[in-house]
Amino acid sequence: EVQLVESGGGLVQPGGSLRLSCVASRFTISRSKATFNDAWMNWVRQAPGKGLEWVANIKGDGSEKNYVDSVKGRFTISRDNAKNSVYLQMNSLRADDTALYYCVSGYYDTGDYWGQGMLVTVSS
Amino acid sequence: QSALTQPASVSGSPGQSIAISCTGTSSDVGGYNLVSWYQQHPGKAPKLMIYGVNNRPSGVSDRFSGSKSGSTASLTISGLQADDEADYYCSSYTSSSTWLFGGGTKVTV
Repeated sequence: EVQLVESGGGLVQPGGSLRLSCVASRFTISRSKATFNDAWMNWVRQAPGKGLEWVANIKGDGSEKNYVDSVKGRFTISRDNAKNSVYLQMNSLRADDTALYYCVSGYYDTGDYWGQGMLVTVSS
Repeated sequence: QSALTQPASVSGSPGQSIAISCTGTSSDVGGYNLVSWYQQHPGKAPKLMIYGVNNRPSGVSDRFSGSKSGSTASLTISGLQADDEADYYCSSYTSSSTWLFGGGTKVTV
């Protein structure tokens, strides 16, 4: 089964930057046999004790990227298919960006597989 | 965009059936047959239970089923079991090419 491992989280001051990484292994989406190069990759976050919030996604070939309004202009999603990796560059971080960030693989509308999450804490 | 609307909590006894609603607008739930449901146990990552309104990924019990009418989608859990106790989130693809989640429903067995 697909394994997604996030890294790069931690404590950062307001206004600072962080880059999250997600590496995929054993990657085949079972219901379609899609490989990493075919898969949409997403970032979804969950603030402590709160619900899920979709953040951004990127098409398999990197040609399309979408963002939730609250991060537009501050966050950038990218991918390196040669490394089975996806990234989230987060700039101008705010306290309300504090959350567990999940790397999610699947389709443009659905997350079939989720990583275990990486905590990002924005605090002075 | 505001989150999709879900009840905060739903409860049922073992063996019973429960339904969780998820209400959106014509720009999301009502406009696309692209509603998904996720189960999240405490301290764990979410798990996909339903996609495309009423499709189950392999390995998901057929006790879980989905439906949609207009701008409201529903997840039904039949034959409720103790392990079904978890948070459940709906999500929908939107006209902005984004995802929108519901606020989540805590299911108590």
